[in-house]
Amino acid sequence: ETGVTQSPTHLIKTRGQQVTLRCSSQSGHNTVSWYQQALGQGPQFIFQYYREEENGRGNFPPRFSGLQFPNYSSELNVNALELDDSALYLCASTSWTRDTDTQYFGPGTRLTVL
Amino acid sequence: LAKTTQPISMDSYEGQEVNITCSHNNIATNDYITWYQQFPSQGPRFIIQGYKTKVTNEVASLFIPADRKSSTLSLPRVSLSDTAVYYCLVAGFHDMRFGAGTRLTVKP
Repeated sequence: ETGVTQSPTHLIKTRGQQVTLRCSSQSGHNTVSWYQQALGQGPQFIFQYYREEENGRGNFPPRFSGLQFPNYSSELNVNALELDDSALYLCASTSWTRDTDTQYFGPGTRLTVL
Repeated sequence: LAKTTQPISMDSYEGQEVNITCSHNNIATNDYITWYQQFPSQGPRFIIQGYKTKVTNEVASLFIPADRKSSTLSLPRVSLSDTAVYYCLVAGFHDMRFGAGTRLTVKP
């Protein structure tokens, strides 16, 4: 196991609602990234947080927002949910070395928008 | 970021060695190559990472030629439980972009 946990495991929402997903990073990892994975596709990068600041963002609209807390846990918030937001949402925490980084993923949260 | 190209799918049999090759022609000097395994409805699992030449760990080997424009993940003696999607990622810091991956099916 990676030590990265996510909650909830599954979630069902309706169009227009708002949702908050949570992630606890592996101990000692100060960087967390969020990904969206639609069925049958590879994960798509949403954004990354480093020491509570957004540190990179993929091609996602502003209704996708995030937070990172002093203990390095993180939240992903999605407003005005759309049907296409139905996906597996993955959180990954980063282990840094001098030359590179390695991301370790949590089990994901399955979001269904009806 | 370097774009990666992998075969969409591969079949193998239990006990065989499987080699999955990834092309990344425009890899940058600072980019590392990382391979992940993913089972349905689970997060990707780190397999191996390298920069050049050969890297080996307890589950796989990674071969990277001198020009670094491709890499090959080698899985020795696969079993049914190795049936999964395998992703090759080429990235530097702060961002990772996954391609479509290679769906490996191991048959008895």
